Amino acid sequence: DAKTTQPNSMESNEEEPVHLPCNHSTISGTDYIHWYRQLPSQGPEYVIHGLTSNVNNRMASLAIAEDRKSSTLILHRATLRDAAVYYCILRAPGNQFYFGTGTSLTVIP
Amino acid sequence: GAVVSQHPSWVICKSGTSVKIECRSLDFQATTMFWYRQFPKQSLMLMATSNEGSKATYEQGVEKDKFLINHASLTLSTLTVTSAHPEDSSFYICSARGGGRDRVIDTQYFGPGTRLTVL
Repeated sequence: DAKTTQPNSMESNEEEPVHLPCNHSTISGTDYIHWYRQLPSQGPEYVIHGLTSNVNNRMASLAIAEDRKSSTLILHRATLRDAAVYYCILRAPGNQFYFGTGTSLTVIP
Repeated sequence: GAVVSQHPSWVICKSGTSVKIECRSLDFQATTMFWYRQFPKQSLMLMATSNEGSKATYEQGVEKDKFLINHASLTLSTLTVTSAHPEDSSFYICSARGGGRDRVIDTQYFGPGTRLTVL
């Protein structure tokens, strides 16, 4: 599976938008881009996923670059409950998830 | 309610004993389940892929005789840590892949994790 690169940590003020970047320059044509987040001492939680087009759901938006070599997870209004480690994962259909180091998001009140 | 559950949520055992962790998909059938291990301040490491009715596939470096996986039904997979030692202390997380009602097809849903402490 192709590798992803994310910043180790980011900070955001509460109620402001947050843009979490992910680089995946070796992505293949069949790889989906998945985002999960993990709160302390909990299992990962699904956030969003996409293939080529931008995606929106109730939790977040996913913006995918035209060449698919990078993507950005957008939290429109950060809350304290959004403080977590966010993982960007590439996966071909039917394959396993391999987690990278993720981005630890701190939300400042 | 929870999509994937794990039991127990935490366990403390003596060195040399065996511990069984259950993973259940509550509202969908999961032909494939996965087991991960996570050490403090580290990412999740995939240990094995569990397919219903067949032998598990282990990742490189994971001892299959130490971490026994059984996937006897479409809703239950178990991980048994045999002859546990302090270095096996970790956070064990399972996930299930399935496309039940209102679920995102072909993604994975994770359990809440089991904290194992071996004394």
